[in-house]
Amino acid sequence: NAGVMQNPRHLVRRRGQEARLRCSPMKGHSHVYWYRQLPEEGLKFMVYLQKENIIDESGMPKERFSAEFPKEGPSILRIQQVVRGDSAAYFCASSPSTLEQYFGPGTRLTVT
Amino acid sequence: AQRVTQPEKLLSVFKGAPVELKCNYSYSGSPELFWYVQYSRQRLQLLLRHISRESIKGFTADLNKGETSFHLKKPFAQEEDSAMYYCALSINTGTASKLTFGTGTRLQVTL
Repeated sequence: NAGVMQNPRHLVRRRGQEARLRCSPMKGHSHVYWYRQLPEEGLKFMVYLQKENIIDESGMPKERFSAEFPKEGPSILRIQQVVRGDSAAYFCASSPSTLEQYFGPGTRLTVT
Repeated sequence: AQRVTQPEKLLSVFKGAPVELKCNYSYSGSPELFWYVQYSRQRLQLLLRHISRESIKGFTADLNKGETSFHLKKPFAQEEDSAMYYCALSINTGTASKLTFGTGTRLQVTL
């Protein structure tokens, strides 16, 4: 099992562009979580998805951010019209249930 | 609202010395607590969880509900223990199990 995969590992976007972050969960895991880590802070929960469903998006900013986990393919975290404050490390975790979460290596987003 | 506090950003100890990484939490319900570790250039990985009450790589952590603490301890630090350590609280609502993380403590073990 290759573990949780995230790509790209590093992403540079200019202000106003769109950022798409991908997360492939571990085989057999149907639960995906997204977390954001700003500089000097801990990881903060953003959204929890199961296949084709958003279960909890209480940590997602209300504008510009969206997430999906389609029936086929990876989970996508999409940030529209990025701003400098979106620069952060974005981590994805997957789980076979509501228990232990396995983390991906993260995507470091830099907005210039 | 739930909160996890790790008061130390950096903890530097000599090899062979005891280690204690502090973690305090606030949560009105029954918590599940974890320690995650991130070694240099590696992904975040689970070190231990309080419900399993096991020792991993010589580390232990006891949940103290009276003091709302879950400190991570190791009697003799090793160089390979140098890493970033995060304490996390899990809230299982039945439909979700999101983690609330502390800001992390960097453990530096020197010779």
